[in-house]
Amino acid sequence: GENVEQHPSTLSVQEGDSAVIKCTYSDSASNYFPWYKQELGKRPQLIIDIRSNVGEKKDQRIAVTLNKTAKHFSLHITETQPEDSAVYFCAASYDKVIFGPGTSLSVIP
Amino acid sequence: DARVTQTPRHKVTEMGQEVTMRCQPILGHNTVFWYRQTMMQGLELLAYFRNRAPLDDSGMPKDRFSAEMPDATLATLKIQPSEPRDSAVYFCASGLVVAQETQYFGPGTRLLVL
Repeated sequence: GENVEQHPSTLSVQEGDSAVIKCTYSDSASNYFPWYKQELGKRPQLIIDIRSNVGEKKDQRIAVTLNKTAKHFSLHITETQPEDSAVYFCAASYDKVIFGPGTSLSVIP
Repeated sequence: DARVTQTPRHKVTEMGQEVTMRCQPILGHNTVFWYRQTMMQGLELLAYFRNRAPLDDSGMPKDRFSAEMPDATLATLKIQPSEPRDSAVYFCASGLVVAQETQYFGPGTRLLVL
């Protein structure tokens, strides 16, 4: 069945450094790749997404890259801040959304 | 700012009791998803509906879980009988099919089965 892998499972960075989370997917038909951020005790919220006809997308300090040939995509956060600390989920979608297992990001002040 | 709503926000019950969770999707959204989140399993898709019709409920234990959409403004997830292993946070999410499944999550129902 469809599967999304995500690495690393935990990530600690110093404030101001960059953070990178990588995901791979199995269903080559997937054409939509959202990223969600979930703060402790809160709902997952969409932070950025990318569609299969685009290789890269940027929104302020957040960027996503997609390599459809290799079936992997990544989230890049630059100039990290303590409020970036959360669990981040990648997902791949064709008909239904399959989520990765999540990455717990800690930004150390 | 339209949001998905869920009730109840918290539920404590005893093993064997029926649990009903409700979700009101964002007005105009025609796709509704139910997820279960635990520390061990992450976000598990239980079921989803499009235009009120169930499309996939393969993630649900069929013997005890059921999901319905009585109308376009209400989705329900029932557990009968509940078991301690059902303790988790249950999220509802809604979206527009034309938006390639961008989903907006509700606040979740935190369920504890004793």
